[in-house]
Amino acid sequence: NAGVTQTPKFRILKIGQSMTLQCTQDMNHNYMYWYRQDPGMGLKLIYYSVGAGITDKGEVPNGYNVSRSTTEDFPLRLELAAPSQTSVYFCASSPLQGAAQPQHFGDGTRLSIL
Amino acid sequence: KNQVEQSPQSLIILEGKNCTLQCNYTVSPFSNLRWYKQDTGRGPVSLTIMTFSENTKSNGRYTATLDADTKQSSLHITASQLSDSASYICVVEYGNKLVFGAGTILRVKS
Repeated sequence: NAGVTQTPKFRILKIGQSMTLQCTQDMNHNYMYWYRQDPGMGLKLIYYSVGAGITDKGEVPNGYNVSRSTTEDFPLRLELAAPSQTSVYFCASSPLQGAAQPQHFGDGTRLSIL
Repeated sequence: KNQVEQSPQSLIILEGKNCTLQCNYTVSPFSNLRWYKQDTGRGPVSLTIMTFSENTKSNGRYTATLDADTKQSSLHITASQLSDSASYICVVEYGNKLVFGAGTILRVKS
């Protein structure tokens, strides 16, 4: 069972570069999420999606973009990378909302902007 | 402001000992409270989820309690093992939003 798979695991970017963080899940979950985790802080929601073709902003969306063309994939795009975007990024998925469904997380992408 | 605060920030215990981690929240309206375990370099993994009407839930050696009146939760770990070394994150859901605590880092020593 692969669950939620994120690539790459590590990446170093220069200021101003762009990149796409990949996320795919094989559990046929409708809901998918992108979070960032900064040292000593709780996870912050960047974007989320309730199904293919539907995305919405979370708490900290500035500097990021997402798309959801299939149920399985939810890539996160960074445009014009800035040092403030140095963080660990987690993708998660869950079944239809309700009945307190747990989120399933990938193992993260560790991104440094230099 | 919706917040989740966890204590202590970090904790070191000897293998075989019990420990209790605390979570206080100001989130309203409350839907459910979750505890996750996050191993170093990995994503969080769900341990328990409790709704408003539940005041205790167990998952093996992990037992979570919830007092919705005082807005407090605890995670009790019994007979700790080296593999329990991890960060434990308290998460409170309201509406369709989640508020994450910063976590308690637990280290179990042999």
